[in-house]
Amino acid sequence: AQSVAQPEDQVNVAEGNPLTVKCTYSVSGNPYLFWYVQYPNRGLQFLLKYITGDNLVKGSYGFEAEFNKSQTSFHLKKPSALVSDSALYFCAVRDPRQGGKLIFGQGTELSVKP
Amino acid sequence: GAGVSQSPRYKVAKRGQDVALRCDPISGHVSLFWYQQALGQGPEFLTYFQNEAQLDKSGLPSDRFFAERPEGSVSTLKIQRTQQEDSAVYLCASSLESGAWGYTFGSGTRLTVV
Repeated sequence: AQSVAQPEDQVNVAEGNPLTVKCTYSVSGNPYLFWYVQYPNRGLQFLLKYITGDNLVKGSYGFEAEFNKSQTSFHLKKPSALVSDSALYFCAVRDPRQGGKLIFGQGTELSVKP
Repeated sequence: GAGVSQSPRYKVAKRGQDVALRCDPISGHVSLFWYQQALGQGPEFLTYFQNEAQLDKSGLPSDRFFAERPEGSVSTLKIQRTQQEDSAVYLCASSLESGAWGYTFGSGTRLTVV
């Protein structure tokens, strides 16, 4: 069965430090991978995606993610965290052989302190 | 419109009441998805339309849930005889095609069943 795991419910980082939000997936074949961010009482906002090509993907707001096929991971990273990055982050996977639906992880709450 | 619009933003229903949630996708977007997001969880797929055709309804939790998109634009998610476990945020997303380039999510409808 397809699944996405975000092993950390919460990540705490000091402003200016690098941050990593972890994601692993279980999908056969070549999945499409996404990161979304959710602010309180708002919908999901797209950050970045991996479809094919370079394993390092750059996205919005200075975020990037590295696709690692052997480890089935797609960790989200940012070199220098901002307080305004504090939000809920979701990793998602789409099996292109099974239509357009996304399978989401349970989310990771990122807290960046000044 | 500029984004995906959902209405109402908030809905309180008494147990047993029927509710209808509306989604206005971005004009021209072919694909439309409904997701259910319980408190503290990631969104879970409910159903998917391509134009007016409902191609996947595997995520609908029971036959009390029904979705339609009769003219291939606006979609309505209807929940009959609401129960407390139906309390969640219902998210709608649309995309130009089958979602290869990402999806745009609405802000959601928060349904509380009392």
